[in-house]
Amino acid sequence: QVQLVQSGAEVKKPGASVKVSCKASGYTFTGYYMHWVRQAPGQGLEWMGWINPNSGGTNYAQKFQGRVTMTRDTSISTAYMELSRLRSDDTAVYYCARDLKQWAHNWFDPWGQGTLVTVSS
Amino acid sequence: DIQMTQSPSSVSASVGDRVTITCRASQGISSWLAWYQQKPGKAPKLLIYAASSLQSGVPSRFSGSGSGTDFTLTISSLQPEDFATYYCQQANSFPKTFGQGTKVEIK
Repeated sequence: QVQLVQSGAEVKKPGASVKVSCKASGYTFTGYYMHWVRQAPGQGLEWMGWINPNSGGTNYAQKFQGRVTMTRDTSISTAYMELSRLRSDDTAVYYCARDLKQWAHNWFDPWGQGTLVTVSS
Repeated sequence: DIQMTQSPSSVSASVGDRVTITCRASQGISSWLAWYQQKPGKAPKLLIYAASSLQSGVPSRFSGSGSGTDFTLTISSLQPEDFATYYCQQANSFPKTFGQGTKVEIK
């Protein structure tokens, strides 16, 4: 079955960077866009961007432009999201989510289990 | 950015009740709308996409309708496992945006 397994929780200081991984299994990794969505504690969902694992092409929400980098390693079917210059309001659970349809970037299913990133001095 | 506004923010209901949640987009999004269910401590789960298409494996008591700016998620007969928070999401344009969520609580 399709599964996304993310890396473990991280604690970072303000100004540092964090890199979260998302290992995919059960499908052709290069056939589906991967999205990243975050959720601050007690808050709603915020889309950060997507990566096309086939080409490596990306599309980031303007809010994160310049601070986020999404990459992939097709040899191990893993997507990465790196966020730099961390601030306290970046404290959130970060999710990867595959697109529902091949070669599309609309709907998020399935999702990884989430990675809690805590930014604190 | 397209703003998505859900109502109500929370609803108290009993098992067996019919529950309706609405989502309004700040501009027309045709049928580019999805609904997700999220339980505490868990990742969201896709229920409905393209406004009214039921995702595989989702019970038929869930249904979606609407187009343009106004959309509805209906749970025809609320079950104990349906108590959760529900989010709408637009896919018409970038950035993808979500509603603020509607919490369905036990009455």
